[in-house]
Amino acid sequence: GQSLEQPSEVTAVEGAIVQINCTYQTSGFYGLSWYQQHDGGAPTFLSYNALDGLEETGRFSSFLSRSDSYGYLLLQELQMKDSASYFCAVYTGGFKTIFGAGTRLFVKA
Amino acid sequence: SAVISQKPSRDICQRGTSLTIQCQVDSQVTMMFWYRQQPGQSLTLIATANQGSEATYESGFVIDKFPISRPNLTFSTLTVSNMSPEDSSIYLCSVEVGQYEQYFGPGTRLTVT
Repeated sequence: GQSLEQPSEVTAVEGAIVQINCTYQTSGFYGLSWYQQHDGGAPTFLSYNALDGLEETGRFSSFLSRSDSYGYLLLQELQMKDSASYFCAVYTGGFKTIFGAGTRLFVKA
Repeated sequence: SAVISQKPSRDICQRGTSLTIQCQVDSQVTMMFWYRQQPGQSLTLIATANQGSEATYESGFVIDKFPISRPNLTFSTLTVSNMSPEDSSIYLCSVEVGQYEQYFGPGTRLTVT
C-alpha cells in the first residue's frame, strides 16, 4: 500500500519554531510537497523537494531525505496566522499526488 | 500561478439527485484534478481530467457515479450522481502549475440529506 505519516496535531507558542515530520511509503517518488490549509479555505502550496536537502522560503523551510523516505516542514518565528492544517504530499508519477492526513498546528499567544 | 473558481460554493441536495460542480481556470492547463475532502481529513483524488480524452479514475471511484467533462483547456465539470449522505463532502478541483505544485479551487461543500 501507499502511506504518508504525519502527526495529527502540534501546538507551539508565537515566535517559536516548529517542525512537522512526514514519512512516506509509496510505489513511486518524484517529490515531496507541503500545503497549508486554513479552516474553510483551499489548500495552498508552500514548497516542494525533489532532491535531498533543505529548501528555504522565507520563514518556512522544507527538508527531504530520500534514503530515509522522510521529510519535514520547519516553520520559524511562528505567528498566530500560521494556525492551520499542513499536508505533506508525494508526487508518485502519472499525474498522481498522494496527500497525508494532515497536521493541525495550533499557535498560542 | 493560477486562479480557479468553482460553482456552486455549497449546496444541500436530496438523496437520489445529482449535482454538477463547475471548475474554471484563468489560464489554459493540460491536466485538471478532482479531489474529495471530508472536513478535517485528507484529500482523496477522484480523477484526473485531460482535455480531449476520458478522465482517469482512481480506485474506488467510477465514471457512472462521478462523470467528468473537460470540454476545453480552462474548464471542467464533476457530477455527483444518485447522491447519498455518504457523498457529503468538500469537492475541490485543482491544476498543476510546474512540477509538484498544485493550485486548488475554493471547493464546493456538499451536504446530502
